[in-house]
Amino acid sequence: EAGVVQSPRYKIIEKKQPVAFWCNPISGHNTLYWYRQNLGQGPELLIRYENEEAVDDSQLPKDRFSAERLKGVDSTLKIQPAELGDSAVYLCASSLIRDSRVPLHFGNGTRLTVT
Amino acid sequence: DAKTTQPPSMDCAEGRAANLPCNHSTISGNEYVYWYRQIHSQGPQYIIHGLKNNETNEMASLIITEDRKSSTLILPHATLRDTAVYYCIVKDYNQGGKLIFGQGTELSVKP
Repeated sequence: EAGVVQSPRYKIIEKKQPVAFWCNPISGHNTLYWYRQNLGQGPELLIRYENEEAVDDSQLPKDRFSAERLKGVDSTLKIQPAELGDSAVYLCASSLIRDSRVPLHFGNGTRLTVT
Repeated sequence: DAKTTQPPSMDCAEGRAANLPCNHSTISGNEYVYWYRQIHSQGPQYIIHGLKNNETNEMASLIITEDRKSSTLILPHATLRDTAVYYCIVKDYNQGGKLIFGQGTELSVKP
């Protein structure tokens, strides 16, 4: 099966500019996650979707971050405006159902550099 | 979710078994132990999970102590491609798929 696909792979922007990341989960996976990974740290959850509904967005900085998952398939994460501290790898993951005994499948992430 | 403690780094000789420890002394009865690994420039990859019995799959074995306060991930014949950061995570499966990653153990497999 095709894995989780993310694009772009790398993005360099100046601070205060907007940026968007795209994720295509594994076909049939209802649950989708966006994680952020700072250098040398483990990934941290930003938002979790079950189908189209964001069921856990408590860690998403809502003043500048937004996400959507139209039709319960692809998802987009946006930052506007970006700040220097947003430099990180943004990872998308999907799973068949919300049960964590079912493995999460991660994409290879988008590495964002804000200058 | 219970907190886990892992050594920050370990070395292993190629072809030898790699034994990665994890301490989770506050684990509760409903919480599973999960292991993921992250190879450089890739996303995390699921390895194995278990509740109280030892588990084995094509990638690794998971040994959980009888009191469940600690566990060991075993890679029986480590290769250079096993060099990665290994994350031990404890999670109640019924509380959704949200996994909280710590800093993990950086395993270096050397020739």
